[in-house]
Amino acid sequence: DVKVTQSSRYLVKRTGEKVFLECVQDMDHENMFWYRQDPGLGLRLIYFSYDVKMKEKGDIPEGYSVSREKKERFSLILESASTNQTSMYLCASSLGGSTANYGYTFGSGTRLTVV
Amino acid sequence: AQSVTQLDSQVPVFEEAPVELRCNYSSSVSVYLFWYVQYPNQGLQLLLKYLSGSTLVKGINGFEAEFNKSQTSFHLRKPSVHISDTAEYFCAVKSGANNLFFGTGTRLTVIP
Repeated sequence: DVKVTQSSRYLVKRTGEKVFLECVQDMDHENMFWYRQDPGLGLRLIYFSYDVKMKEKGDIPEGYSVSREKKERFSLILESASTNQTSMYLCASSLGGSTANYGYTFGSGTRLTVV
Repeated sequence: AQSVTQLDSQVPVFEEAPVELRCNYSSSVSVYLFWYVQYPNQGLQLLLKYLSGSTLVKGINGFEAEFNKSQTSFHLRKPSVHISDTAEYFCAVKSGANNLFFGTGTRLTVIP
């Protein structure tokens, strides 16, 4: 089975801190994604990457950046955490090209609280 | 632009009763449709998907969904729910080279 692993299940950070959320997948997937999930808003795409060192903005990139130095790892960075970034963060991966139509595989999520 | 509407944010249902979770989408091109389930404190798990072919799609845990192109719907159904089906369910659509786009979710609560 494809496995997408997010390094932390729960995280508490202070306002202004730099925060790193890590995601690793073990099935050689080309595509990786970061979503945030908030009640009543569903999942919103923050950033995605189709290849190593490539990144594309999603629907809500403000306040975030990403890094993909290796194919299996996709990091989400909050440069200066704010309370409105308190949320559940979900990482996902998929094969590339038309095979991405078969769907994404998600990690278990990181619940981040910024105080 | 594509969008996904899940008409019901919460659906309570008694155990062993049938359930339907509604999903409508808007897209002018061919679409691929998905239902994901999220159990408490977990990530999303794929329930079923429609890519092409038969409009009735069967998934895991006894769920099925029917693709209706004329009504742009992809409703999820189960004839008899269990307590363990209590979860949040997300409908999602993918068209062309675009990324997966999610609805806002429906929280299903099964009452004993």
